[in-house]
Amino acid sequence: DQQVKQNSPSLSVQEGRISILNCDYTNSMFDYFLWYKKYPAEGPTFLISISSIKDKNEDGRFTVFLNKSAKHLSLHIVPSQPGDSAVYFCAAIPGANNLFFGTGTRLTVIP
Amino acid sequence: KAGVTQTPRYLIKTRGQQVTLSCSPISGHRSVSWYQQTPGQGLQFLFEYFSETQRNKGNFPGRFSGRQFSNSRSEMNVSTLELGDSALYLCASSLDRAGYEQYFGPGTRLTVT
Repeated sequence: DQQVKQNSPSLSVQEGRISILNCDYTNSMFDYFLWYKKYPAEGPTFLISISSIKDKNEDGRFTVFLNKSAKHLSLHIVPSQPGDSAVYFCAAIPGANNLFFGTGTRLTVIP
Repeated sequence: KAGVTQTPRYLIKTRGQQVTLSCSPISGHRSVSWYQQTPGQGLQFLFEYFSETQRNKGNFPGRFSGRQFSNSRSEMNVSTLELGDSALYLCASSLDRAGYEQYFGPGTRLTVT
């Protein structure tokens, strides 16, 4: 049972435009959410996180939005750059010590 | 500071064999987690070790096991390999709590034929 879902396996965006990656979850016990970026042949690297007590967190070009009532979070990248092309995973923690990951969205930023 | 290292990077095994993967965490990190990544399932949590004890376990069969040594290095073992075990196995380390500030290694690509 996939508790964290990324329904879009891929997304293409023009350089300079906004990229919006979406993630839905089913477990209301999740209290912390993270986004990871993964390049081929490398492990995921942490990008940005948000606690369930917040609805927005910003870090440079990256902003994560959390809508608890809809059990939905999104990652906005503005402006998108070719170097942002990677697979993005959202992940959630239910207060215990393990992460639940989504299946990933492959972002391609077209120059 | 050196990152998380995993050995070997690539491995080909035959169905029915067993395999051991190794992970060396970042110096000072005591929590080591293992994940399996497959195209259809994304990353799935296998287990987490902290101070040589398994602290959390995911929903995988008993063929998957692990251990952690006193220097925090960890090994993962899969016995009686099945074709469906072909995947990228990722190890991640953190100071204490697994989920936050977790640093991943490059992974071991296991192919079962």
